[in-house]
Amino acid sequence: GAVVSQHPSRVICKSGTSVKIECRSLDFQATTMFWYRQFPKKSLMLMATSNEGSKATYEQGVEKDKFLINHASLTLSTLTVTSAHPEDSSFYICSARVEAGFNTEAFFGQGTRLTVV
Amino acid sequence: QKEVEQNSGPLSVPEGAIASLNCTYSDRVSQSFFWYRQYSGKSPELIMSIYSNGDKEDGRFTAQLNKASQYVSLLIRDSQPSDSATYLCAVNAGYSTLTFGKGTMLLVSP
Repeated sequence: GAVVSQHPSRVICKSGTSVKIECRSLDFQATTMFWYRQFPKKSLMLMATSNEGSKATYEQGVEKDKFLINHASLTLSTLTVTSAHPEDSSFYICSARVEAGFNTEAFFGQGTRLTVV
Repeated sequence: QKEVEQNSGPLSVPEGAIASLNCTYSDRVSQSFFWYRQYSGKSPELIMSIYSNGDKEDGRFTAQLNKASQYVSLLIRDSQPSDSATYLCAVNAGYSTLTFGKGTMLLVSP
């Protein structure tokens, strides 16, 4: 399958600081990438859809000013958690789709475990 | 509201048995269906995709789709302890985001 690389895999930061997470599609171009958050033993929660060259589309309840998404190229999307708080501690996962009509498969990055202390 | 429903489990099966995981979806125009496996602390991994009614087999895995009844299932033959994970069903109704179920935890005991 297609490869999606996410970096870093783990990060610990202090409250009030910002953290940037990168998501790269290594062997295909992705006009659309997705950012998810997952709390322990909970299901994936879609945060936003990242569109290359345009603004991200955020899901209801997700603060766009707190979770900044930039999709500057067809292979890179970034999620910046600004002014992080302990409640932002979670597993963040990006996904990119190989688009070929309706039969699109989504592949996930390795995930980033964020701990805010 | 598009919904994808899965029994959260855990589904417990002995090693060597067939594990049957089920998923129902609400959006009748759904076109693409996927099964992902997620180990604890890891991100989901695509294991099967199915687009038309019937069965699709890949090794020990068989996906079954019935659009009229709006369900999709995943059978795992000769289950192994390494198959113990959470299995996520995902549905796509077109050029939109995938809608994921909450996942079914599978436990395969030696």
